[in-house]
Amino acid sequence: QSVLTQPPSLSGAPGQRVTISCTGSSSNIGGNYDVHWYQQLPGTAPKLLIYNDNNRPSGVSDRFSGSKSGTSASLAIAGLQAEDEADYYCQSFDSSLGSSVFGGGTKLTVL
Amino acid sequence: QVQLQESGPGLVRPSETLSLTCNVSGASVTGYYFSWIRQPPGKGLEWIGYVYHSGATNYSPSLKSRVTISVHKSKNQVSLQLTSVTATDTAVYYCGTYRGGYFDYLGQGTLVTVSS
Repeated sequence: QSVLTQPPSLSGAPGQRVTISCTGSSSNIGGNYDVHWYQQLPGTAPKLLIYNDNNRPSGVSDRFSGSKSGTSASLAIAGLQAEDEADYYCQSFDSSLGSSVFGGGTKLTVL
Repeated sequence: QVQLQESGPGLVRPSETLSLTCNVSGASVTGYYFSWIRQPPGKGLEWIGYVYHSGATNYSPSLKSRVTISVHKSKNQVSLQLTSVTATDTAVYYCGTYRGGYFDYLGQGTLVTVSS
C-alpha cells in the first residue's frame, strides 16, 4: 500500500479537463513537502511533468498544472488529447520514513 | 542535457547480489545527486535511494539493509548493489538525477529478473 493515495484509474473524452488526486498525510504533503508529478507513457520511463507543486519543466505543455491544499495535491490536464493516455504518479517526501515516496499511480484512459 | 544509461545482468539467481551500473554522459557525476528507482512488472514506482559525490547516501527504510549506491568519479558512473535478492526484486531499475527532491532526468531503465 502506497503512502500517497491516487485513484487507480480515470477516463475522459478528448477536449475534457480531468483531475488526478494525490492524498497524503501530515508527514508528507500536509507537512508542506513539495509534490511532484510524472507521466509514464506505455513502455517508456517516467518523465517529470510538474515539480515543486506547480512548476512545469521546459517543454511540458501548459495544459498540465499542479496544485496543493492541506494533505492533498492534484494534477489537472486541460483539453485532453489521445497522447495524454498514460500512467501518472505523484511523489513527495515523507518525514516519518525519511525518504521519497510515490503514489500508486493513476492510469488515464482517453475515450 | 544529462543522459543516463543503465546496464547489468538481466537475470540474477535468488539469494545472489544484483549489480547495476548507470553511465552518465552530458554532465559530471560531481554535479548532481543520483538516485535509483524501480518498478515491478505491472506495478508502481518505488524509490530505492540516492547518493551524492561526497559519498553521502540515503536509502529506503525497506531496502536499507540490502542496498549500496556508489559514485565512481573516474568513470562518471553510479552503481547499485542489492544483496540477497528474491523474486520480489524483479523489476525495471531506473537511474535518475535527484534535484531538490524530484527526479528530473531518468534513464530508459533495465529489466532485472530474479529466477533460478
